[in-house]
Amino acid sequence: GENVEQHPSTLSVQEGDSAVIKCTYSDSASNYFPWYKQELGKGPQLIIDIRSNVGEKKDQRIAVTLNKTAKHFSLHITETQPEDSAVYFCAGQGGGYQKVTFGTGTKLQVIP
Amino acid sequence: SAVISQKPSRDICQRGTSLTIQCQVDSQVTMMFWYRQQPGQSLTLIATANQGSEATYESGFVIDKFPISRPNLTFSTLTVSNMSPEDSSIYLCSVEGQDTNYGYTFGSGTRLTVV
Repeated sequence: GENVEQHPSTLSVQEGDSAVIKCTYSDSASNYFPWYKQELGKGPQLIIDIRSNVGEKKDQRIAVTLNKTAKHFSLHITETQPEDSAVYFCAGQGGGYQKVTFGTGTKLQVIP
Repeated sequence: SAVISQKPSRDICQRGTSLTIQCQVDSQVTMMFWYRQQPGQSLTLIATANQGSEATYESGFVIDKFPISRPNLTFSTLTVSNMSPEDSSIYLCSVEGQDTNYGYTFGSGTRLTVV
């Protein structure tokens, strides 16, 4: 089955700096890669996603890149703000509604 | 995206007892998923619940311990049976994305502590 690895496990950045979280996956059949943000006491919330036929996707301060050949994808947050502090999970998923495999999570702390 | 109401939000239970967690969705969905998130850990899929059929359990999870009901397309329950302290976790229900969005929507979770 799919195995998703995520790095780093913790990340501290100064407010205004950029943050990058990286994930690798093992199953070449995976074709959908969502990213979730989980704030304390809440369920994960989808913040951005990318499909395997796209190399990059951007939504305001958040971008995701995908390298299908190398089987890795990354989340980029620019101009970080304190409210970006949370745990971020990457995930890999096959076509349709197949099982989602989550990475181990990255705790991001943005220091004011 | 769908809105999920999950109850209870938290509970403290005695070992050996059972707790039933409810998940209500504001729209009809084909598949509902139950996850466990142990403290400081990632999300692990317990089972997939389809309306009108038995739930499909992942390796390491069994129906006797985590019975699931799915009486209609907007509701599901997960029961944690004969609880032990090792069952202390956050339990989350989730539904598949709508339209062209595959991404899941999650409930706010049930934080369970077993003493």
